[in-house]
This record gives sequence, C-alpha cells and structure tokens, in this order.
Amino acid sequence: DAGVTQSPTHLIKTRGQHVTLRCSPISGHKSVSWYQQVLGQGPQFIFQYYEKEERGRGNFPDRFSARQFPNYSSELNVNALLLGDSALYLCASSFRDRSYNEQFFGPGTRLTVL
Amino acid sequence: GQSLEQPSEVTAVEGAIVQINCTYQTSGFYGLSWYQQHDGGAPTFLSYNALDGLEETGRFSSFLSRSDSYGYLLLQELQMKDSASYFCAVRGDGGSQGNLIFGKGTKLSVKP
Repeated sequence: DAGVTQSPTHLIKTRGQHVTLRCSPISGHKSVSWYQQVLGQGPQFIFQYYEKEERGRGNFPDRFSARQFPNYSSELNVNALLLGDSALYLCASSFRDRSYNEQFFGPGTRLTVL
Repeated sequence: GQSLEQPSEVTAVEGAIVQINCTYQTSGFYGLSWYQQHDGGAPTFLSYNALDGLEETGRFSSFLSRSDSYGYLLLQELQMKDSASYFCAVRGDGGSQGNLIFGKGTKLSVKP
C-alpha cells in the first residue's frame, strides 16, 4: 500500500506570494494533520482535519488555512508568504480522529521563501 | 503550557548502547511517543508508552515514569543507519488536542 504522499516535493516562492500544498493520506485513513518543521526543530502542529471538518488548530496566523476533500486528501494554503515561512511542511494521516500515539508522516514539501 | 526537553546531540560508536532522555511538562498526559527522522526524510513512529515501565521492540526500548514526567529511548547494538534525529512527543492540549507536540529533537551520530 502507498504511504502518505505530498506534492510538490520542493517549492520556491517570493515574499507576498501564495502557496498551495497537497497531501493524500494512506488509503482508509480519514484524519489528516499538517505540521511545520523549521530546520533544527521538531514539527509544529498547524491543523487537523477529520471527515472534512477542522478538528484542531495550532498557533499559526490566519494566513494559514486548510481544507479536506471528500476523498480525504487535503490542501494547506499559505497567503502573503514571509521569509519565516521557509520550512518543511509535513502531512500526517491516521485512521482515527485525534490519534495522538501514532501518526504516519509523508515525505514533506520543502518550501523556500526568497 | 506544554514543553519537552531532550538533549540536542548525542554521539556514540557502532555496537554501543545509547540512551536519549526526555522530560515533559503537560496538563493532560496520555502517553509519550518517539519518532525517528533521517536527514531529508519523514518522521517515522518508533514507540509509544502510556503506562510506566519499559517497552521493548527489537534493538529499541522506551521507558516511561509518569511520576517523574520522564522517559527515555534506549538504542542497543548501534548501527550506522541509526544516525538520525529522535523526537519525543506528547498529545497536544487545547486547540491541538489529538495532535502531537514534539521536542526539539536529539541528533544521534553513530561513528565507526
């Protein structure tokens, strides 16, 4: 079975632009979470979606938004990009809602903001 | 608030045993997880402790003491491929419930 997939793998944007990142969960998984990982730090929680509804939100500005589609795939959108948004964006899926003991991570999207 | 503390770097030689400690502070505790992440790769789940004691999975073991808010990951018979970052994590609270709060990670370097 395929694991969590994310696209694109790498992205370069300039300040002020908008970006959309995509994630497909493991087949059968209904929960998708997004994390931001800055170099040298642990992943930081951004959003969680379950059955197309937002179930959790981390401490990120309103420039960050997300949604989940009927096939459980998800998009993360970031508006008005700042240099500090440069990071690895990770998507994680799980079968259950609020599965805090084991989440399956995708390879991430490396975003560079110039 | 929630916080996790773990050493930033650890170095060991092949075949040795290394212990990576993690102390945590959280309002509602549901267990301690450990993840491994190789450079440029995705975090992968290693273990989860909800109760006190030692859990063993092959060369890796994880320990939890809830009274001390402390846990550790023990790696035995170290191999070069174990060179990676290791993160401890707890469940988030408030708006982050059901999701993971990670420590800053411990970079393990295994030398020949």
